[in-house]
Amino acid sequence: EVQLVQSGAEVKKPGESLKISCKISGYTFTSYWIGWVRQMPGKGLEWMGIIYAGDSDTRYSPSFQGQVIISVDKSSNTAHLQWSSLKASDTAMYYCARLGGLPQWFGDLVSFGTANWFDPWGQGTLVTVSS
Amino acid sequence: QSALTQPRSVSGSPGQSVTISCTGTSSDVGAYDYVSWYQQHPGKAPKLMIYDVSKRPSGVPDRFSGSNSGNTASLTISGLQAEDEADYYCCSYAGSWVFGGGTRLTVL
Repeated sequence: EVQLVQSGAEVKKPGESLKISCKISGYTFTSYWIGWVRQMPGKGLEWMGIIYAGDSDTRYSPSFQGQVIISVDKSSNTAHLQWSSLKASDTAMYYCARLGGLPQWFGDLVSFGTANWFDPWGQGTLVTVSS
Repeated sequence: QSALTQPRSVSGSPGQSVTISCTGTSSDVGAYDYVSWYQQHPGKAPKLMIYDVSKRPSGVPDRFSGSNSGNTASLTISGLQAEDEADYYCCSYAGSWVFGGGTRLTVL
């Protein structure tokens, strides 16, 4: 069974750093892309970025580029999302999710048309940033 | 990409059918069959219900169906059941991913 298990809730102060994790099991970790999705309190889902666990190729949403860093640790089958300086507006639930299929490569270009859905999802990590 | 447009809420009685719309543009929903739908119960993680506009993952009841017409995708739930009450989000891939604002389904 494919499982994504996320780290526990965090309470941080503005300006602090944070790294949350998403531990994956049930399939070959390096074969798939992992995405991160933000859900602010009472709001909808927002795509943040994705990373290929095989070589750490990372794509960010323009809204989150430069605001967070997505990484993987192949030795522990874990994906990470990190902030260097948190803001109150980072308060949200963060979900990791695996892309459901395998993308196609056309030379150096990748198309996610064959892998465009997210399944399964982690249980979420609640991050609260408050002074 | 701007967020896809969904109605804030829909409702129906048990046994009825409801349809949730998801409107994008000719650059996303209207351009590719790369629309997925997610169900989210309160306090829970989203769950994939439909992908590639109309495909159902294993384990999802066939009461759930998806379609696409022009720039609007739709999720139809037939034979409504109490456990269908949840938030539903559409998502489109067109070079990057964009979600809809979400629709709250109430089963009366």
